[in-house]
Amino acid sequence: QKEVEQNSGPLSVPEGAIASLNCTYSDRGSQSFFWYRQYSGKSPELIMSIYSNGDKEDGRFTAQLNKASQYVSLLIRDSQPSDSATYLCAVDSGGGADGLTFGKGTHLIIQP
Amino acid sequence: GAGVSQSPSNKVTEKGKDVELRCDPISGHTALYWYRQRLGQGLEFLIYFQGNSAPDKSGLPSDRFSAERTGESVSTLTIQRTQQEDSAVYLCASSPGTYTDTQYFGPGTRLTVL
Repeated sequence: QKEVEQNSGPLSVPEGAIASLNCTYSDRGSQSFFWYRQYSGKSPELIMSIYSNGDKEDGRFTAQLNKASQYVSLLIRDSQPSDSATYLCAVDSGGGADGLTFGKGTHLIIQP
Repeated sequence: GAGVSQSPSNKVTEKGKDVELRCDPISGHTALYWYRQRLGQGLEFLIYFQGNSAPDKSGLPSDRFSAERTGESVSTLTIQRTQQEDSAVYLCASSPGTYTDTQYFGPGTRLTVL
């Protein structure tokens, strides 16, 4: 059974600070890793994808992957109130046939 | 361009009735996915199509659930004899094709079984 674990939160971060979201996964064969943002009542939207070890930066977002530790993280710099949402970590073990395995999400609150 | 669309956006039905949910993927996307999200829960993978073929249907929760896809376009998810535990948001996603491709989600269908 493939599992993706996230702290459900809520994680409260002051505006302008760095928000750090973490995710661990159970399947060592996992090859593709995604962070989705989901506002209440809305569908998930992709924030970042990462496929190799190390850091990947896109604007205020940085995804970090450590396959040896089976660990993925998302850093949000200069957090804004509009970043308040649930962040879903998703993992694909390859082939597509199993879809993405999602964590239950971390609820992030940015305090003005 | 147009994103993934789903219909209906909301569906309220009585226990025991059949429902059909529709997904229109992004044009040209060969891969299509169905997920279910119960209130306050993560996404649960249901089924994947590559073209009109579904290699593995084991993710479907029970034999009351079935899905089909016409070519590389519209897909329908059918739930027969609905039960209250089927109440959830059903999300469809599509991707260009390979497993590394980003999945783009539709707005979902909120199903309520009374």
